Amino acid sequence: GAGVSQSPSNKVTEKGKDVELRCDPISGHTALYWYRQSLGQGLEFLIYFQGNSAPDKSGLPSDRFSAERTGGSVSTLTIQRTQQEDSAVYLCASSLVARGVHEQYFGPGTRLTVT
Amino acid sequence: GENVEQHPSTLSVQEGDSAVIKCTYSDSASNYFPWYKQELGKRPQLIIDIRSNVGEKKDQRIAVTLNKTAKHFSLHITETQPEDSAVYFCAASLEGSARQLTFGSGTQLTVLP
Repeated sequence: GAGVSQSPSNKVTEKGKDVELRCDPISGHTALYWYRQSLGQGLEFLIYFQGNSAPDKSGLPSDRFSAERTGGSVSTLTIQRTQQEDSAVYLCASSLVARGVHEQYFGPGTRLTVT
Repeated sequence: GENVEQHPSTLSVQEGDSAVIKCTYSDSASNYFPWYKQELGKRPQLIIDIRSNVGEKKDQRIAVTLNKTAKHFSLHITETQPEDSAVYFCAASLEGSARQLTFGSGTQLTVLP
């Protein structure tokens, strides 16, 4: 079966523009996570969705960042009025949250460059 | 919330030697501790994990140990090979809660031929 996919793989945008990043999780996975990885840095949690529950937005760095997950599957991360410090790789992961199963499968990431 | 610290940030070893990476966590409720390997330009991939009901787990050349009292866990790689060169991330979470993983800052392992 297909793994987690993300699009676009690379995105170059001008400062001040809005961008949308897409994540297609593994079919049947109920949990979906967004992380940000700056160059040479660790994985910074942004937001996660679990089934029909309200998302945990505690990691979003500012109100310019938002995300939604439609129909419990595809998710879109939106960054408004992008700034240069938003440049990073944005990783999406999904997992099947069930007893004893918790592995997160990562997508290939979207490399965002804000010029 | 959970805080995970990872050391060292960089580690170089000779091929065939062992490598050890250490992590500490702050939330005593955490009970799931995965390790991810991220090769250059690729996505992180799970290589081994341990749950709090065991103290050690081994998979071929890779082993992980957990000390819940000290809130400390470590990754051990024996007989290192050049293909082990990558960034390794530890993480901690509360299994079954779908809580997000809290990652350490990563260790760049370089295996010198």
